[in-house]
Amino acid sequence: EAGVAQSPRYKIIEKRQSVAFWCNPISGHATLYWYQQILGQGPKLLIQFQNNGVVDDSQLPKDRFSAERLKGVDSTLKIQPAKLEDSAVYLCASSPNGQGTEAFFGQGTRLTVV
Amino acid sequence: AQSVTQPDIHITVSEGASLELRCNYSYGATPYLFWYVQSPGQGLQLLLKYFSGDTLVQGIKGFEAEFKRSQSSFNLRKPSVHWSDAAEYFCAVGVNAGKSTFGDGTTLTVKP
Repeated sequence: EAGVAQSPRYKIIEKRQSVAFWCNPISGHATLYWYQQILGQGPKLLIQFQNNGVVDDSQLPKDRFSAERLKGVDSTLKIQPAKLEDSAVYLCASSPNGQGTEAFFGQGTRLTVV
Repeated sequence: AQSVTQPDIHITVSEGASLELRCNYSYGATPYLFWYVQSPGQGLQLLLKYFSGDTLVQGIKGFEAEFKRSQSSFNLRKPSVHWSDAAEYFCAVGVNAGKSTFGDGTTLTVKP
């Protein structure tokens, strides 16, 4: 079974530029999550999708971050404009139905904003 | 609000020695509890989870954890550590495995 795929693996951009990350969850998984992991900290949930609808985006900085999950499969997370403090690893995870089940994480995208 | 505290930022143990990583949580109801491992450049891998039932939970790679409601703890243990166990370990609490609050992690170093 293929795991959660994320791309790119690494990205370096200048502040005020925009960037987008892509995630392909495990086939059939209805729930998809985006996490931000700053160096030295645990992952922090940014947004949760159930199929193509947003369930929870309470911790997403909506002035600069946006996310979508077209057709309930792939998802993209965008930052525009990026700030230095956005430097982090962005992890995507998916689970079958989100309630009491295991979530499977991708390898993440490491973003460096200079 | 739920929270997780991992008191030990960094632990060093000798190969073959026993290991215990501490995790304390705050949660308003009966929690779902998880331990994940993260190797450098890798995503998070679930080691074990507690939803209900037996408070001693067995996981992969020889790890186990014990849920103690009275102490709000969910400590991870392994009787004999291998060099390949060196990694960062995260405890998490939440309504499900994906929508969880994570601790800040404990880095494990294994001495030969």
